[in-house]
Amino acid sequence: AQSVSQHNHHVILSEAASLELGCNYSYGGTVNLFWYVQYPGQHLQLLLKYFSGDPLVKGIKGFEAEFIKSKFSFNLRKPSVQWSDTAEYFCAVNAINQAGTALIFGKGTTLSVSS
Amino acid sequence: KAGVTQTPRYLIKTRGQQVTLSCSPISGHRSVSWYQQTPGQGLQFLFEYFSETQRNKGNFPGRFSGRQFSNSRSEMNVSTLELGDSALYLCASGTGNNEQFFGPGTRLTVL
Repeated sequence: AQSVSQHNHHVILSEAASLELGCNYSYGGTVNLFWYVQYPGQHLQLLLKYFSGDPLVKGIKGFEAEFIKSKFSFNLRKPSVQWSDTAEYFCAVNAINQAGTALIFGKGTTLSVSS
Repeated sequence: KAGVTQTPRYLIKTRGQQVTLSCSPISGHRSVSWYQQTPGQGLQFLFEYFSETQRNKGNFPGRFSGRQFSNSRSEMNVSTLELGDSALYLCASGTGNNEQFFGPGTRLTVL
């Protein structure tokens, strides 16, 4: 069965610090990869996605992620975080040889940024 | 375009009752998926409908069921509610290209 693991449950940073959130998945086939963000009191929003091509993908609000196939990883990065990045971040995987578009999510990482 | 809408936003039920949640996808989207979000288990996939057919199902008991109508609106039903069914139920719609857009969720509390 597919699974997604996010290494950090809670990350605390000061503004302007760099961010890297780890995500590893277990699935031997081809996958689509996503990072979603949930700001306090708001919907889950898509931050960025990887389907194919350049393994370094850029998303909204200055976030980027790198797909490393050999490591089954899709880590999220941002060079300089802002207070407004305080949110919960979810990594998700979809196996493209399965019927449908079911997403398997990691447990999430709560990011707290202090000003 | 209007986003995904879910009704009701909040619901309180007692054990043994049943509940129906509704989801209206983004106009033009034919895929609707449902997820359960709890503090302990995180986000778990329930099922997906595409053009009124269930296309995929997660690992939930048969008490959880759903359907999709010809206008792509979807309903999810939970029968014989248990305390552990208290959760945020999220609906997501998509065009079928694997990108999904989430609604605000329905917060279900079972007493």
